Amino acid sequence: DVKVTQSSRYLVKRTGEKVFLECVQDMDHENMFWYRQDPGLGLRLIYFSYDVKMKEKGDIPEGYSVSREKKERFSLILESASTNQTSMYLCASSLYGQGSNQPQHFGDGTRLSIL
Amino acid sequence: AQSVTQLDSQVPVFEEAPVELRCNYSSSVSVYLFWYVQYPNQGLQLLLKYLSGSTLVKGINGFEAEFNKSQTSFHLRKPSVHISDTAEYFCAVSDPPNFGNEKLTFGTGTRLTIIP
Repeated sequence: DVKVTQSSRYLVKRTGEKVFLECVQDMDHENMFWYRQDPGLGLRLIYFSYDVKMKEKGDIPEGYSVSREKKERFSLILESASTNQTSMYLCASSLYGQGSNQPQHFGDGTRLSIL
Repeated sequence: AQSVTQLDSQVPVFEEAPVELRCNYSSSVSVYLFWYVQYPNQGLQLLLKYLSGSTLVKGINGFEAEFNKSQTSFHLRKPSVHISDTAEYFCAVSDPPNFGNEKLTFGTGTRLTIIP
């Protein structure tokens, strides 16, 4: 089974801090994704990557950046955390397939609170 | 850009009763369609997917969905629900098949509550 591991289940940080969320997958997937999940809004894509050192903006990239130095690891960075970034963050990975026909495999999420 | 509408944010159903969770998408071209389930305190898991072929798709845990191109719908059904089906269900649609385009657009989710 595919395993997507997010480094923290719960995280509390202060406004203005630089925050790193880490995600590792063990199935040699090309694609990796970061979403945030908010009640009533579903999942919204922040960034995705289809190869090492490659990244593409999703629907809500403002205030975030990403890093993919190795194929198995995809990091989400909040450059200067703000209270409106309090949310559940979900990482996912998938095999490369034309038109996203491959299913995405999700981690259990990181619930981030910015005080 | 694609959009997905899940009109029902919450659906309460008695145990062993049937259920239908509705999903409509906006697209005039071929897309791929997915249903994911999220159990409490977990990430999402794939229930089923439609890529092409038969419009009736069977998934895990007794769920099935029917693709209706004319109505741009992909409703999820189960003939008899169990307590363990209590979860949030997300419909998702791909961008039109395009080399290098790997994104999904998710609906806002439907919380299914099973009443004993």
